[in-house]
Amino acid sequence: SQKIEQNSEALNIQEGKTATLTCNYTNYSPAYLQWYRQDPGRGPVFLLLIRENEKEKRKERLKVTFDTTLKQSLFHITASQPADSATYLCALESTDSWGKLQFGAGTQVVVTP
Amino acid sequence: NAGVMQNPRHLVRRRGQEARLRCSPMKGHSHVYWYRQLPEEGLKFMVYLQKENIIDESGMPKERFSAEFPKEGPSILRIQQVVRGDSAAYFCASSPSGGVGYGYTFGSGTRLTVV
Repeated sequence: SQKIEQNSEALNIQEGKTATLTCNYTNYSPAYLQWYRQDPGRGPVFLLLIRENEKEKRKERLKVTFDTTLKQSLFHITASQPADSATYLCALESTDSWGKLQFGAGTQVVVTP
Repeated sequence: NAGVMQNPRHLVRRRGQEARLRCSPMKGHSHVYWYRQLPEEGLKFMVYLQKENIIDESGMPKERFSAEFPKEGPSILRIQQVVRGDSAAYFCASSPSGGVGYGYTFGSGTRLTVV
């Protein structure tokens, strides 16, 4: 069965450092891999999307890599700030099920001053 | 641009009652998606709708749950005869079209509590 795994333990990191989150998947051939941020009591907010034929994508302090051989994506937050504290969700979408995102359980990031 | 609007934000229902959750997509968006987030679990896809059409309902429970997106007005997720296990956060997302490779815009959700 399809499985998406994200680090279940919270990532505690000091302000200014780089946070690196992992998303691994099995039995899946995603066309797109997306990262969302979710704050308590709020809906997910879209951050970045990377296509299956792309290796890396950047947006401001965020960087995403996508390795379809390893079936893994890494999400980096550089120069982290306390405002980056949130839960980060990985989501996959395949060509035969548009609109049907498969979400990981998310990794909580806590950035301390 | 008000984004995806969901109401109510919080809904309390007694067991056996009906719950109606509403979602107004972003202006210009004609595709709506409903997800459910159970406590301590990830988001699970429920249904994908276009105006007057259900595109994919593979995540909808077979009984008691239904969804619609009429030509006019918001999309409605309806849960009949609610049970305690229906308590969850229900999120709606929208997009201008399907399968074009950009992210989805989510609403703030409706938190349903069944007592």
